[in-house]
Amino acid sequence: RKEVEQDPGPFNVPEGATVAFNCTYSNSASQSFFWYRQDCRKEPKLLMSVYSSGNEDGRFTAQLNRASQYISLLIRDSKLSDSATYLCVVPRFGNTPLVFGKGTRLSVIA
Amino acid sequence: AAGVIQSPRHLIKEKRETATLKCYPIPRHDTVYWYQQGPGQDPQFLISFYEKMQSDKGSIPDRFSAQQFSDYHSELNMSSLELGDSALYFCASSLGRGYEQFFGPGTRLTVL
Repeated sequence: RKEVEQDPGPFNVPEGATVAFNCTYSNSASQSFFWYRQDCRKEPKLLMSVYSSGNEDGRFTAQLNRASQYISLLIRDSKLSDSATYLCVVPRFGNTPLVFGKGTRLSVIA
Repeated sequence: AAGVIQSPRHLIKEKRETATLKCYPIPRHDTVYWYQQGPGQDPQFLISFYEKMQSDKGSIPDRFSAQQFSDYHSELNMSSLELGDSALYFCASSLGRGYEQFFGPGTRLTVL
């Protein structure tokens, strides 16, 4: 299994749709997990941190399944501004350094 | 809120030249990370520093070196540049190791 593997994109969804991304990781010792979003040619921006079973912030929900070693990101009521690449990030050893997934591209269409 | 500052934002160099990229972390952040992102690629970890000491080393070429100074800013020195070094170079900072990393806007390096 690759260190961090994400759903292949792109995901093209209409405004208002609910979309979910999955990410699997290989290091069972990882303690923290992150979702970043990256717009074209811009820096990755932290979207959510996950330290226990999950986290919720408005329309965004991240869930962690340690037994199956996967993390999911759910986006409800998609907005045009949600269009970006979503990167699943998992530390390699304990908490550092970070290993990025290849990213999943989301396009929200009007 | 103050963010990570990187300079320069754009840099054009010739093959075999040297380049120095600078990173100023968020105030009070003591850990700095460097990443390289090639076209269509995910960010690759290069190296990190915690309290001015190298803490982790990733896929940093031997031609590159980096350090963190007493004011916590960091510099990435790149020598004998190659065409394949053309990429976006991001610096990130965190308050302690293992915590959320916040990225700077990046330096776009083009090697001709």
